[in-house]
Amino acid sequence: AQTVTQSQPEMSVQEAETVTLSCTYDTSESDYYLFWYKQPPSRQMILVIRQEAYKQQNATENRFSVNFQKAAKSFSLKISDSQLGDAAMYFCAYRVYGGSQGNLIFGKGTKLSVKP
Amino acid sequence: DAGVIQSPRHEVTEMGQEVTLRCKPISGHNSLFWYRQTMMRGLELLIYFNNNVPIDDSGMPEDRFSAKMPNASFSTLKIQPSEPRDSAVYFCASRRTGVGTGELFFGEGSRLTVL
Repeated sequence: AQTVTQSQPEMSVQEAETVTLSCTYDTSESDYYLFWYKQPPSRQMILVIRQEAYKQQNATENRFSVNFQKAAKSFSLKISDSQLGDAAMYFCAYRVYGGSQGNLIFGKGTKLSVKP
Repeated sequence: DAGVIQSPRHEVTEMGQEVTLRCKPISGHNSLFWYRQTMMRGLELLIYFNNNVPIDDSGMPEDRFSAKMPNASFSTLKIQPSEPRDSAVYFCASRRTGVGTGELFFGEGSRLTVL
C-alpha cells in the first residue's frame, strides 16, 4: 500500500527567509504524481505545486519549488522569500498514474508558522 | 467558474441525530471524492465516485455512513445515527479524469460537531 510521511509536524520560518518541508512516500509504482497542498485557517485546500514522476526536472511555481528524488522517494517543498500569508498547514499527497485509482493519499501535514 | 460547493459549513448536532452533508462538484468534473479530516488521523478518503458510480467505498467507517450521487452535479454524505467520534471536517473534492495530473479541487469543508 502506498503511504506518505511528513516527519515535521511543525516548522517555523522568519519572514523573507527560506524554509524546506520534507515528504517521503512509499510505492511500488513507477508512474505517479505528487502534490503539495496548502490549508490556511480558512480550511480551503489549495494546490501549491505538482510533479509528474516521469519528469526529472523539479517543478517550480513562483516562490515554491520542489526537490524530487525518485530513487529516494523524497519530495520536499521549498518556500523562498517566505511571507506571512504562507502560514498554513501543508500536505504532501500522492496519486498513482492512470487506472481507476483517482484518489490522493495524503501525509499528516506540517504546520508552518511565519514570524514577522 | 464556481468551485466545489459544500453545505453546511458548520453543523452541530446531538448524538443519534441524522446528518446530511451536501456537495456540488465543479461543472464538467466526473469524479467526486469525500474525505474526512481529524487531528488524529489526518485526511482519510471515505468514498469516491466516477461518473456517478461509487468506485471505492472501503474508507466508509461503518454502516452508519452512506453516500449517494444521483446525478453529475450533486452528492450527499449521510450519517445515521451520528456519534461524537464522527466529529470532524468533511471535505468534498472533484476532478476531471483524463485531464492533466489529476489534482483534486476541494470545497471549503463541512465542520461537524456531534455532542
